[in-house]
Amino acid sequence: DTEVTQTPKHLVMGMTNKKSLKCEQHMGHRAMYWYKQKAKKPPELMFVYSYEKLSINESVPSRFSPECPNSSLLNLHLHALQPEDSALYLCASSPLAESYNEQFFGPGTRLTVL
Amino acid sequence: AQSVTQLDSQVPVFEEAPVELRCNYSSSVSVYLFWYVQYPNQGLQLLLKYLSGSTLVKGINGFEAEFNKSQTSFHLRKPSVHISDTAEYFCAVSPPGTGFQKLVFGTGTRLLVSP
Repeated sequence: DTEVTQTPKHLVMGMTNKKSLKCEQHMGHRAMYWYKQKAKKPPELMFVYSYEKLSINESVPSRFSPECPNSSLLNLHLHALQPEDSALYLCASSPLAESYNEQFFGPGTRLTVL
Repeated sequence: AQSVTQLDSQVPVFEEAPVELRCNYSSSVSVYLFWYVQYPNQGLQLLLKYLSGSTLVKGINGFEAEFNKSQTSFHLRKPSVHISDTAEYFCAVSPPGTGFQKLVFGTGTRLLVSP
């Protein structure tokens, strides 16, 4: 299995809702990432987990809360989002959090905040 | 700090024609270089990467890229494109070193292949 899966594919939520995005990989990778991608822009790194521990938080607002329950799963909990948070949220994984490693991306969750 | 420039935001080309997508980087240290492709409504997929060694790198789907240190470039080429190559292409750099090093993406080039 060489893919990263993300659920849901689409999510529409109000500013007062609480929702979660889920990411899963079964490649034995020990590094996992969350990216945010606005239309016609490159992905922007949000968080990096290495061996299930949060290694990097790119100054992301606290309304985004990541969680890595085990080496295969990565969640992103969303609460009190703003309309400008609407974007494609991409999850990725790599064997290790080393710069020479290829990152494997999931198809993304397209989030719309009303 | 590293930065990546993809000067062409869009490149239109006819099917079976050759194409070159340009990427220039800025860095005071050596870097690792990557090309990723993003098909509509999908995540990114690695086309190829340069870490060291031969400056000509071959990737998937018939793509290749050449690392030119003196010109700080890593242009992507394909001798004959297909309609299915229509996608967004991102060049990215990462400095070598231990531990996590942030992948820096260029702004992307949209390749539009028409019949």
